[in-house]
Amino acid sequence: DAGITQSPRYKITETGRQVTLMCHQTWSHSYMFWYRQDLGHGLRLIYYSAAADITDKGEVPDGYVVSRSKTENFPLTLESATRSQTSVYFCASSESHSADTQYFGPGTRLTVL
Amino acid sequence: SQELEQSPQSLIVQEGKNLTINCTSSKTLYGLYWYKQKYGEGLIFLMMLQKGGEEKSHEKITAKLDEKKQQSSLHITASQPSHAGIYLCGAVPFMDSNYQLIWGAGTKLIIKP
Repeated sequence: DAGITQSPRYKITETGRQVTLMCHQTWSHSYMFWYRQDLGHGLRLIYYSAAADITDKGEVPDGYVVSRSKTENFPLTLESATRSQTSVYFCASSESHSADTQYFGPGTRLTVL
Repeated sequence: SQELEQSPQSLIVQEGKNLTINCTSSKTLYGLYWYKQKYGEGLIFLMMLQKGGEEKSHEKITAKLDEKKQQSSLHITASQPSHAGIYLCGAVPFMDSNYQLIWGAGTKLIIKP
């Protein structure tokens, strides 16, 4: 299907485990983003990528790792999950500039026990 | 820290009534985006405003950006149940070298039948 997809949609894990959230887009957009959404904080940027093999930190990168070996994929890994990382995670993409319109995936709801 | 202030935080409106949501920045903006989010879903792009004084409409939703490019309003005419959800504004501060979006905390809109 065309667009931007995320998997899994729901995930429950335990403290200390490694978790990878997947993001895939079919538009060949250059920019991709990972956000987390929490009550009281709104959307916060974790990492973004301007192109394959180019990534940069956002506002809250600690505890997360990203990679982008292919333009269409932008996985987010929690190396050792903590309860504070319980959140809803959104992936987004934009065509050619970080200030272009961003298009969002459906989100992954992650619970860390 | 939130650099975009949205008001009100929540709004309950009788079906058929008009309503306005505001988004204010202390900085001049390069561009401002309005999104809508339904519970459990991703953000849906509504409109983007870039020029001072610009106004755009889509169906019953009108968004305006003031001349100073620091404040935007989203106006819904004759509200319907389908308008219910969370409305978020996102913007790029004009002098931000990274051109990353900052986000308002969102306005939760409930439509009473």
